[in-house]
Amino acid sequence: QKEVEQDPGPLSVPEGAIVSLNCTYSNSAFQYFMWYRQYSRKGPELLMYTYSSGNKEDGRFTAQVDKSSKYISLFIRDSQPSDSATYLCAMSAKGAAGNKLTFGGGTRVLVKP
Amino acid sequence: DVKVTQSSRYLVKRTGEKVFLECVQDMDHENMFWYRQDPGLGLRLIYFSYDVKMKEKGDIPEGYSVSREKKERFSLILESASTNQTSMYLCASSVGPRNTIYFGEGSWLTVV
Repeated sequence: QKEVEQDPGPLSVPEGAIVSLNCTYSNSAFQYFMWYRQYSRKGPELLMYTYSSGNKEDGRFTAQVDKSSKYISLFIRDSQPSDSATYLCAMSAKGAAGNKLTFGGGTRVLVKP
Repeated sequence: DVKVTQSSRYLVKRTGEKVFLECVQDMDHENMFWYRQDPGLGLRLIYFSYDVKMKEKGDIPEGYSVSREKKERFSLILESASTNQTSMYLCASSVGPRNTIYFGEGSWLTVV
């Protein structure tokens, strides 16, 4: 079993809909949680960062962490065709050597005009 | 903004060739990483470095080596390229307790 599980999709939604993405994990030591967006043939870019449990909002993006359930989510409101990309969750434990991250496999999202 | 630059975006090499992938970051980050990304397998860590001349094996170090002579530069070396090393290679850097990693644009390597 992988340490971080993420549905590969594709997840297809109409423009303006809410996109809901999630990851589950097994390592209770994870305390830092990130979401990355990756466009085709590009490197991942950091979208959201959350430390420990709770919610964080940034514009149309909301990240949630539920450590008790080992479950994290990313919501994209008012989705746009430009949001079509692969979304990767990533996490690490406090004091992890070299800040090593463990990634999910990514969910491909397609927002249709 | 953090800038991680991978000098070669697209390379085609022959089996058995020695291949160098270069990466430079401009934010004085202590930590640097090399990943490879393959369909269905996600991002896999090859090597990372938390200081100059220091390196640690990641999850898939076989067939690779690295060099970090200066803080800003981290090189990935394929000693004898093989076709199963055809992949997208991503360099990244990070610093501090936030553990946020910043990636370069990626290098697409094809070994024929």
